[in-house]
Amino acid sequence: GQQLNQSPQSMFIQEGEDVSMNCTSSSIFNTWLWYKQDPGEGPVLLIALYKAGELTSNGRLTAQFGITRKDSFLNISASIPSDVGIYFCAGQLSGTSYGKLTFGQGTILTVHP
Amino acid sequence: DAGVTQSPTHLIKTRGQQVTLRCSPKSGHDTVSWYQQALGQGPQFIFQYYEEEERQRGNFPDRFSGHQFPNYSSELNVNALLLGDSALYLCASSLAGTIYFGEGSWLTVV
Repeated sequence: GQQLNQSPQSMFIQEGEDVSMNCTSSSIFNTWLWYKQDPGEGPVLLIALYKAGELTSNGRLTAQFGITRKDSFLNISASIPSDVGIYFCAGQLSGTSYGKLTFGQGTILTVHP
Repeated sequence: DAGVTQSPTHLIKTRGQQVTLRCSPKSGHDTVSWYQQALGQGPQFIFQYYEEEERQRGNFPDRFSGHQFPNYSSELNVNALLLGDSALYLCASSLAGTIYFGEGSWLTVV
């Protein structure tokens, strides 16, 4: 099935460093979402973006909805050990496709204390 | 307020068997979607139920079927199981807004 292109696939960083990951698509989406998934659990929503060009923050997390509506990025500042996990981007269309999310392959984040 | 709950959490089935997974949506949520997440991959949309009808469907064969009950809970059924059906099956619920995921049901087909 269709997936978004998410990069990097994995990151190994030191505690306190900033992290950046991005997601691109050949298709336009009306909503971009970023989720975090811990082992054995379902994805948890971090940030939702609803408008092209929108820049939204949630604590140390900042995400942007690309102007072309075909990309998004997520930044994590001053990483801490509990940031470890898998981060997924997801795109959603509106209208009849509401609620159908298309996910990226995920970015595995490891934070060394 | 309980979130999205799924059962069972883990199960093992043999090729050719059938499996039923269950989901209770977050309180008040009327829309339930099912996703399949293979190891190392992002979730893939299977289908969505609203008002007891399948409203959208992803690229999955007819072996995958579902049902939504009047209380909005839902079941995912998979017939004639294949080894490749081994995955984490996620249920998500929504009410015209944020989509919440359950913790999933791990299915292993041997």
